[in-house]
Amino acid sequence: QQPVQSPQAVILREGEDAVINCSSSKALYSVHWYRQKHGEAPVFLMILLKGGEQKGHEKISASFNEKKQQSSLYLTASQLSYSGTYFCGTEMFNGNNDMRFGAGTRLTVKP
Amino acid sequence: DTAVSQTPKYLVTQMGNDKSIKCEQNLGHDTMYWYKQDSKKFLKIMFSYNNKELIINETVPNRFSPKSPDKAHLNLHINSLELGDSAVYFCASKGGLEQYFGPGTRLTVT
Repeated sequence: QQPVQSPQAVILREGEDAVINCSSSKALYSVHWYRQKHGEAPVFLMILLKGGEQKGHEKISASFNEKKQQSSLYLTASQLSYSGTYFCGTEMFNGNNDMRFGAGTRLTVKP
Repeated sequence: DTAVSQTPKYLVTQMGNDKSIKCEQNLGHDTMYWYKQDSKKFLKIMFSYNNKELIINETVPNRFSPKSPDKAHLNLHINSLELGDSAVYFCASKGGLEQYFGPGTRLTVT
């Protein structure tokens, strides 16, 4: 029931771009993206809803392909502060409050 | 003001002991959760409560018992602690679409 994330890890230089993918075998209502830094709690980045638009947050944006039940997180012109583990969380129904998380993608941005 | 708070932040205890973790949210949310994050960083849902009612109870040993005295609080009591219970436990709350995590409680069982 939990989504599958890829890749497991990414190493970038500052200024480079990255894409993190999240896919589900079940129909989804929503996809949530979080970033977790070492020793801290996951922090909410954005949510994409079925039938909704692509979202953006600074230089981080995401899309949701309902036909494929896939979401992608795009990080452009990466900064050192983008380092952390990115998780996608998915819900199958509106209001069922059952959020399942992928295994995470560890992103490291180097100077 | 902290939106979702947990106490304690660190908990070190011996096998066989009983311990509790407390969670409070001041966001007015109806739904609260407990997640376990193991050493591989996998976030696994344990329980979900909506307005003090248990909604989700994943395959969790019955040594774990959640209690929600009101919709702002969700506590987790663990009996007969085992080495495998060592992990970071996150409380979260959800109102509308967005879900917010507490700072986590790092439990170490020796």
